Parts: sequence; C-alpha cells; structure tokens
Amino acid sequence: DAKTTQPNSMESNEEEPVHLPCNHSTISGTDYIHWYRQLPSQGPEYVIHGLTSNVNNRMASLAIAEDRKSSTLILHRATLRDAAVYYCILRDRGNNNDMRFGAGTRLTVKP
Amino acid sequence: DTAVSQTPKYLVTQMGNDKSIKCEQNLGHDTMYWYKQDSKKFLKIMFSYNNKELIINETVPNRFSPKSPDKAHLNLHINSLELGDSAVYFCASSQAGDETDTQYFGPGTRLTVL
Repeated sequence: DAKTTQPNSMESNEEEPVHLPCNHSTISGTDYIHWYRQLPSQGPEYVIHGLTSNVNNRMASLAIAEDRKSSTLILHRATLRDAAVYYCILRDRGNNNDMRFGAGTRLTVKP
Repeated sequence: DTAVSQTPKYLVTQMGNDKSIKCEQNLGHDTMYWYKQDSKKFLKIMFSYNNKELIINETVPNRFSPKSPDKAHLNLHINSLELGDSAVYFCASSQAGDETDTQYFGPGTRLTVL
C-alpha cells in the first residue's frame, strides 16, 4: 500500500474546528483514503473515507486535494471525547482486506 | 449489543505458557482479523480470515495459530509465550464486497507475559 505521512501530534481547544492533515503523494488511482481513530484504551473505529470528492458524515468531513496527494480530516467542533489518535490509511479498491496503520496523529483537546 | 467482543480483556501469564484469546462478532461479517499493538502503539495486522479461510498471514511466528470454527469466531492461540508477545491484541471484522470495507474492532486484550 502507498505510504501516508501525518504530524505526530496536534492540539486543539474544545469547540473549535480541527484540521488533521495527511500527505499521500504516492497514492494510486484505485486507492481509497480512509480515516480511523483510536480513543484511549479502545480499538480503532471508522471515521470516514473518500476517493476523489469531499465527503461529509455525522462524525467529520474529509477534504481531498484535487491531485489526491493530500487530504484533511475536519472535525467541525472538537469535544474532549475527540481526543484520540487519528490514522489516515490508503486502501486499494481491489485489495480491501489489507489495512496498514501508520503512527497516526495524536489529537489533544484542551478544555 | 456488542458487535465485536474479545475475551479475556486482560491476560497475565508466565513465559512458556500456552494461551488463547477468543473473538466473536455478531455483525454477520465474513472476514475477521487479528492485529497486534505493541508498546510503541504501532498497530500491525497479523491474520485475516475470509469465510473461515486464511487470507493474510503476515510474518508472525509459528507459535501464533488462528482458528476459525465458524464465520462468527476467530480465536488466537499462542504457544510458548515470550516476553515480546506482551501487547494489546485486537480482533476486527468486516464484510467483503462492501464498498467501504469498514473494519469493526473489538475492545482489545492486553496480554502481559512475565
């Protein structure tokens, strides 16, 4: 799978928007961009995914660059419960079983 | 209702022992996985089973043997435990063919080998 690069850590204030960046310059045309997060002492959970267009769901928004070499996960109003490690993962559409986690970004939310 | 469950939640054992971790999913998924998260927090896939057949087997010692009695269960048996096996083990499941192929993770089993 193509590699992703994320900042090791980010901080945010409660109730403010958070933009979590991810670089994936070697992305292929069949790679989906997936985001998962891992809350403290829990298993990872799905957040959002996209291919080319921006995506919104109840948890977050995903903004994908036009050249698809980077993407940004947007939490519109961070809460204390959003403190977690966020993983950006590329998954080949034709190889859905394989998911490789990187180091992710540890998000700290300050009250 | 718990979607993916693991037992036990904590497991403390001595080196050389044999232990098993159980995983069950009630989502009707056909694919199940085991991941290992070490002390540095890196999460690595170990095994993947689809319809009870092994699909992915990463470079994992032969001491680790997954067993899938049916589609809803994927148990992990570990022989001759070593100190380096101490980690949190996560089970997950997904449905092949689903466009998102979202994986649902269990709460994890923290294994400590003394």
